[in-house]
Amino acid sequence: QVQLVESGGGLVKPGGSLRLSCAASGLTFSDSYMTWIRQAPGKGLEWLAYISGSGATIYYADSVEGRFTVSRDNAKKSLYLQMSSLKAEDTAIYYCARGPTDRYNFDYWGQGTLVTVSS
Amino acid sequence: SYVLTQPPSESVAPGKTAMITCGGSNIVTKTVHWYQRKPGQAPVLVIYYNSGRPSGIPERFSGSNSGNTATLTISRVEAGDEADYYCQVWDSHPVFGGGTKLTVL
Repeated sequence: QVQLVESGGGLVKPGGSLRLSCAASGLTFSDSYMTWIRQAPGKGLEWLAYISGSGATIYYADSVEGRFTVSRDNAKKSLYLQMSSLKAEDTAIYYCARGPTDRYNFDYWGQGTLVTVSS
Repeated sequence: SYVLTQPPSESVAPGKTAMITCGGSNIVTKTVHWYQRKPGQAPVLVIYYNSGRPSGIPERFSGSNSGNTATLTISRVEAGDEADYYCQVWDSHPVFGGGTKLTVL
């Protein structure tokens, strides 16, 4: 049974930093592309970044490039999102998901972790 | 950039059929995926490749894609189907619709 568990969310001041983690189990993590997706209050889902199984390929959405860094540790079966220069509009639930798959979708998701950016 | 448009909400009585639309320019040329998200739970892939159903998803869930509109259809709606539903396509990167809140009356 695949499980993705996010952690690291919380309250942070504007301009601050935060590191999110996603612990994976029940899947061949090192073979899996992994993605961070968020949902801001009252808004839809927004893709942020994805990383290939080896970590060699990484893509970012324009909204976070230069501020967020995605990484992974295959030995620990963990995915990370380092967020810096946080803004109020970064307030959201952050999900990790497996994918994009070869079908260009996301077949497993975590329950999400809430990040609140406020002074 | 490619835009997907969903109605913010839909309501349906138990036992009836719910149809949730996802509009996009010539969306028929893209493959559409659908996710269900219940409060506090992980989103779940319910339809892939326009009409494919992952293992464990009831046959009541089906999908179609034609012209400028893709549709998620839920037959014999149950109270447990109340959730937010999102469509997704790939357009050099993932694109999601704004989501539709399905209320079971």
